[in-house]
Amino acid sequence: NAGVMQNPRHLVRRRGQEARLRCSPMKGHSHVYWYRQLPEEGLKFMVYLQKENIIDESGMPKERFSAEFPKEGPSILRIQQVVRGDSAAYFCASSATVGDFYFFGQGTRLTVV
Amino acid sequence: DQQVKQNSPSLSVQEGRISILNCDYTNSMFDYFLWYKKYPAEGPTFLISISSIKDKNEDGRFTVFLNKSAKHLSLHIVPSQPGDSAVYFCAAIPFNAGNMLTFGGGTRLMVKP
Repeated sequence: NAGVMQNPRHLVRRRGQEARLRCSPMKGHSHVYWYRQLPEEGLKFMVYLQKENIIDESGMPKERFSAEFPKEGPSILRIQQVVRGDSAAYFCASSATVGDFYFFGQGTRLTVV
Repeated sequence: DQQVKQNSPSLSVQEGRISILNCDYTNSMFDYFLWYKKYPAEGPTFLISISSIKDKNEDGRFTVFLNKSAKHLSLHIVPSQPGDSAVYFCAAIPFNAGNMLTFGGGTRLMVKP
């Protein structure tokens, strides 16, 4: 049973481009969480999704950021018109149910140049 | 406003000795606490947790202590091993607020042989 898979592991974008980060949860997990870790900081919650639904997006910046978890396929975190301040490590986690422990992927390190 | 704080950004310990990592929180609604370990370029991995109804939980070399009145928890690693060198994050979940973790900023532990 593969763990939480994130790709790409590293992503370089120029300012103004779009970044798409993918997360495939563990098999049987229908709850997905995205966290962001800025340099020298802890992880900050961004968004919690279940299949086809956004449950809590209280940690998402109001503009340029969106997330989805379609019925088929991975969860996608999309950042439009990236800026240097978006450079961070983005971690996805998944769980089978609410209240279950969840498992993190290895992260995508986004660098905006 | 940081609700979970790890005031020591780094800690250096000799192999075989005890490592004590500290964490303070401000939100009285937190009732479940977790410690995660993170190696460079990897996602956080769950280490140990404690519910607010307990004051101690032990798992092998790892023990977590919770002092609710002081809003303080600590992770003890005895004996410390070089493979324990990593960044340790404490995290908290509030009562009845789903599964979202609030993380501290992390403490980098270095265990010297």
